[in-house]
Amino acid sequence: EAGVAQSPRYKIIEKRQSVAFWCNPISGHATLYWYQQILGQGPKLLIQFQNNGVVDDSQLPKDRFSAERLKGVDSTLKIQPAKLEDSAVYLCASSHPAGDGTDTQYFGPGTRLTVL
Amino acid sequence: AQKITQTQPGMFVQEKEAVTLDCTYDTSDPSYGLFWYKQPSSGEMIFLIYQGSYDQQNATEGRYSLNFQKARKSANLVISASQLGDSAMYFCAMREDFSGGYNKLIFGAGTRLAVHP
Repeated sequence: EAGVAQSPRYKIIEKRQSVAFWCNPISGHATLYWYQQILGQGPKLLIQFQNNGVVDDSQLPKDRFSAERLKGVDSTLKIQPAKLEDSAVYLCASSHPAGDGTDTQYFGPGTRLTVL
Repeated sequence: AQKITQTQPGMFVQEKEAVTLDCTYDTSDPSYGLFWYKQPSSGEMIFLIYQGSYDQQNATEGRYSLNFQKARKSANLVISASQLGDSAMYFCAMREDFSGGYNKLIFGAGTRLAVHP
């Protein structure tokens, strides 16, 4: 079974530029998550989708970040304009209801963003 | 308030020895789940083990076991027979009541484990 795919793996941009990240979840996984992981910290949830609807975006800086999940499969996370503090690894994860409450999240390799 | 606390920024262990990584959590929710993930230098978060708050027995997965002490709100990861490939960051995470579809994981700051030959 293929895992969560993300691209690009690395991105370097200047501040105030725009950037987009792509995620393809594990086949059949209805729930998709975007996390931001700043160096030296644990990941922090930015947004959670259930199929193509948003469940939780309370920690998404909506003035500059946007995300969509058209057709309930792939997802794109965009930053416009980027700030220096957006430098981080952006992790995508997906999960499928397990029936027993575990709903384990499986992560992709991440996109490492550097904003100069 | 910190919900997940990992007090050991770094640990080292001799190959083939056992090591315990500490994790304490804070929640008032009776229903929650605890997870451990491994993050090698490549960056991917690899799921290791899960413990539900109502599970009576400690979870085990191969060389990984979770020492769950509910009254103390601790969920320590035990790795037996350490291998060089175990060198990585280890994150403890908690998911509070997921009714309504909310499945947010709250992560600790992580512990970097180095396995020495």
